[in-house]
Formats: sequence, C-alpha cells, structure tokens
Amino acid sequence: GENVEQHPSTLSVQEGDSAVIKCTYSDSASNYFPWYKQELGKRPQLIIDIRSNVGEKKDQRIAVTLNKTAKHFSLHITETQPEDSAVYFCAASITGGYQKVTFGTGTKLQVIP
Amino acid sequence: SAVISQKPSRDICQRGTSLTIQCQVDSQVTMMFWYRQQPGQSLTLIATANQGSEATYESGFVIDKFPISRPNLTFSTLTVSNMSPEDSSIYLCSVQVGLTYEQYFGPGTRLTVT
Repeated sequence: GENVEQHPSTLSVQEGDSAVIKCTYSDSASNYFPWYKQELGKRPQLIIDIRSNVGEKKDQRIAVTLNKTAKHFSLHITETQPEDSAVYFCAASITGGYQKVTFGTGTKLQVIP
Repeated sequence: SAVISQKPSRDICQRGTSLTIQCQVDSQVTMMFWYRQQPGQSLTLIATANQGSEATYESGFVIDKFPISRPNLTFSTLTVSNMSPEDSSIYLCSVQVGLTYEQYFGPGTRLTVT
C-alpha cells in the first residue's frame, strides 16, 4: 500500500519568514495530493491540493510543488503569520473508483511573533 | 464544500460497552469515510461507508469491532464495539463531494474509554 513520509515533524519560524514542509510517497500510481491544516482541538481543513498533471499550484501565501519523478511534494508558506501555527498533514491518494487517502505523520508549525 | 455534523461531540464510556457515532451531511455526497486520530497522531482510515452495501474496511479494522451503516447519501454511523482503553481516540467522518477529489471532515467525536 501507499506510504507517505513527512518532514520535519516540528518547525519553528519567525513571523514573516517562509516555511517549507516536505513529503514523499511510495506508490507511483498516486495522482492526488491534498494538504490539511489542523488547529488544536479542531477538525483538519483542506488548504490546498495538487493533481499529478500539475507541477505547482499557488493560493495567496501558500504554494505546493510536485515532482512525480522523485515522488515528492512540498508545501510552501510565505510571509508566515502567527495564525499559521498548526499541524499540517500531507496526503496522497489514487483517484477514481475506490479512493483511499493516506496521510503523512504531520508537521507542527510554530510561528513566533 | 458541505456542512458536516457529528454526534456525540465527546463521550466517556466504560470498557466492554459500545458507542454509536452519527455523521450527518447537509447535502448528498458520493463518498463517506471514517477515520481515527489518536492523540498527537495522524489520521488513519478505518473504512469507506458504502451506501446500500457493506463498508470497505482497511487493514487492521474489522466489521465486528467497527460496524458501519450508511442508509442514504447524507448519513452514516460508526459503532465502536466492546470498547477498551486502547479505543480512546478522536473519530472523524469525512465526505467527498460530487466529482471532486476533495475530502472534508466533520468536527470529530472525542472518545475516552475508562
């Protein structure tokens, strides 16, 4: 089955700096890669996703890149703000028919004011 | 997206008992899933709730322990049976809306087994 590894497990940055979280996946058939943000005591929220036919996607301060050859994808947050502090999960799935999303282990991001 | 609610939001149960968690969506959805998230951990898929047929369970999860129902396209239940302290966790339902691949999560049910 799919295995998703995520690094780092914790990340501290100064407000205004950039943060990068990296994930690798094992199944070359995976074609959909969502990212979730989970604040303490809250549900995971989908913040951005990318499909395998796209190399990069941006949404304001958030961007995701995908390297299919190397089977890794990354989340980039620019101009970080204290409200970006949360646990971030990457995930990978194969779409169509039976869809199972496999999550990474999570990255706890702390933005220091 | 969709508005997803879960009941109960939290419960404390005695070992050996069972708890049924409900998940309600405000619109018809194609897929519904149940996840478990142990404290400080990632999300693990328990099963896919199939409308009108038996759920599809992931490795390590069995129907006798986690029976699931999905009588229609907006509602599903997960039962945690014969509970032990190891079942203490947050249980979340998620839904996939329409033809998109996006999954949205319910608020979760925090279960503590004593």
